[in-house]
Amino acid sequence: DTAVSQTPKYLVTQMGNDKSIKCEQNLGHDTMYWYKQDSKKFLKIMFSYNNKELIINETVPNRFSPKSPDKAHLNLHINSLELGDSAVYFCASLGPGGVQFFGPGTRLTVL
Amino acid sequence: DQQVKQNSPSLSVQEGRISILNCDYTNSMFDYFLWYKKYPAEGPTFLISISSIKDKNEDGRFTVFLNKSAKHLSLHIVPSQPGDSAVYFCAATRSTQGAQKLVFGQGTRLTINP
Repeated sequence: DTAVSQTPKYLVTQMGNDKSIKCEQNLGHDTMYWYKQDSKKFLKIMFSYNNKELIINETVPNRFSPKSPDKAHLNLHINSLELGDSAVYFCASLGPGGVQFFGPGTRLTVL
Repeated sequence: DQQVKQNSPSLSVQEGRISILNCDYTNSMFDYFLWYKKYPAEGPTFLISISSIKDKNEDGRFTVFLNKSAKHLSLHIVPSQPGDSAVYFCAATRSTQGAQKLVFGQGTRLTINP
């Protein structure tokens, strides 16, 4: 009974393509996040939504567009993929006590 | 500008001994700190946290110590077990922010040897 799930787990695509990663949480949390873990293993926040409203938008290229159809879902769409977009992307939701619950990650490889 | 640093990329400890993982931060506005544990091909999972009003928090085999003057925190695991082998991330945030934003260190890979 997965709390935060992401699909797909692996994504391999060509430069220039457009792709989406989906995230769903069944914890009833209001706030969700997208993080990027780059080749140096740093986990960096990209976006955060609270009840479908964007509340954090870090310096991320416009090619990245989050979409939250409802508070249980936060999807990430990436246009015109570049080699540097290759990374592991994690979705998370914010629970009580300031604890974030993470999904299993999506490994994106851009060729 | 890395505000949270874990200077040891890896640590190897004998089973049953104490593991000590260290973390330094530069932003004095951080007032809430968390440790996450990550296994390969999984997302990080919450381990333990500490507020800046405390200098120690203990949960079973895990204890986190905070030294605000040194801007340093450490995670102690005792006794270490093989299942503790994982990557450990330190994270910090400002609890008074409107939206919680965690800043992570780069992680320390802990290996527990039998």
